[in-house]
Amino acid sequence: NAGVMQNPRHLVRRRGQEARLRCSPMKGHSHVYWYRQLPEEGLKFMVYLQKENIIDESGMPKERFSAEFPKEGPSILRIQQVVRGDSAAYFCASSPTQGLENTEAFFGQGTRLTVV
Amino acid sequence: KQEVTQIPAALSVPEGENLVLNCSFTDSAIYNLQWFRQDPGKGLTSLLLIQSSQREQTSGRLNASLDKSSGRSTLYIAASQPGDSATYLCAVKGRANFGNEKLTFGTGTRLTIIP
Repeated sequence: NAGVMQNPRHLVRRRGQEARLRCSPMKGHSHVYWYRQLPEEGLKFMVYLQKENIIDESGMPKERFSAEFPKEGPSILRIQQVVRGDSAAYFCASSPTQGLENTEAFFGQGTRLTVV
Repeated sequence: KQEVTQIPAALSVPEGENLVLNCSFTDSAIYNLQWFRQDPGKGLTSLLLIQSSQREQTSGRLNASLDKSSGRSTLYIAASQPGDSATYLCAVKGRANFGNEKLTFGTGTRLTIIP
């Protein structure tokens, strides 16, 4: 059972370009979470998705950022018109159906976005 | 709003020593607390998960405790080894987020074990 798979591992974009980050959850997991880790800062929640639904996007910047988790295929975090401040490590986590107390979050290796 | 603090931000100890990392959180209404390890440029590896009804969990040389009422958790590492050098993160899943298993993270403790 492969873990949470993120690609690409490293992504370089020029200012104004679009960045697409992909996340395939663990097999059997239907909940996907995206987190962002800015340099020298902790991980901050961005968005929580289930298949074809955005459940909580309270951590997403209001502009330029969007996320989806289609019925088929990986979850996508899209950043339009990237700026230098978007440079960060973006992590995806997945979990199975809600288990509350005993549900463990499993994280991918992250995508490190550098905007030049 | 839940806030998670980890002290110290960095710690260096000689190999073989036992050590304790601290984590505190402001809202005691949590479902669980998870300790992670992060190596430079890598992802997060889950070390231990303590449910809100539990007091501690152990895995090998690691022991994590939870005092929910005081909003504190500790991660105890016995007989430290150079391979333990990493950043250790704690994260809580709050009851305010029923149905949403998002985690609130601390900023981590960067641990260096000196050979």
